[in-house]
Amino acid sequence: EDQVTQSPEALRLQEGESSSLNCSYTVSGLRGLFWYRQDPGKGPEFLFTLYSAGEEKEKERLKATLTKKESFLHITAPKPEDSATYLCAPPYSNTGKLIFGQGTTLQVKP
Amino acid sequence: DSGVTQTPKHLITATGQRVTLRCSPRSGDLSVYWYQQSLDQGLQFLIQYYNGEERAKGNILERFSAQQFPDLHSELNLSSLELGDSALYFCASSVGPPGQGYEQYFGPGTRLTVT
Repeated sequence: EDQVTQSPEALRLQEGESSSLNCSYTVSGLRGLFWYRQDPGKGPEFLFTLYSAGEEKEKERLKATLTKKESFLHITAPKPEDSATYLCAPPYSNTGKLIFGQGTTLQVKP
Repeated sequence: DSGVTQTPKHLITATGQRVTLRCSPRSGDLSVYWYQQSLDQGLQFLIQYYNGEERAKGNILERFSAQQFPDLHSELNLSSLELGDSALYFCASSVGPPGQGYEQYFGPGTRLTVT
């Protein structure tokens, strides 16, 4: 069965302290990855789609990269407003279902 | 604002009751998806529709049902409610068929509380 694993589950950073989140997967017919951001009590907000290994996309302090087996979301010099849960999911599946990882909850302290 | 609307925002009801949650997709989107998120839990896929046709089911209980209407809005019906059904229910939409790489855009959710 398709499985998406995100690590770490939780991450606490000081403002300005860069780090990376990981999303790994065993998915049949994998082609790419979605990244989303979710604030508490809100709907997930679409961030990026990565379609092929080696592809990179950036948005403000976030940079997403993709290999054949995993993806990283790099956060450079984070600010408190970057605090949220970050979710990943493969965009293609044989079943048509979008399977989200459990997420990484990021807390950035001022 | 994603362009996906959900009503109501909050719903408080008693065990055993039935409720209907409503979702309007973004303009032009043909696919609608429903998810459940319990407190401190991940997003659980429930069901999805494309242009009025059911395409896939997740771990949706038999007490739950949904449909997508000709105008593409969707409704999720929850019946014989139990305390454990208390959760955030999200609707999402995409322009193309499920599982084909189209980004999903999520609504603000309906918070259901069963007392």
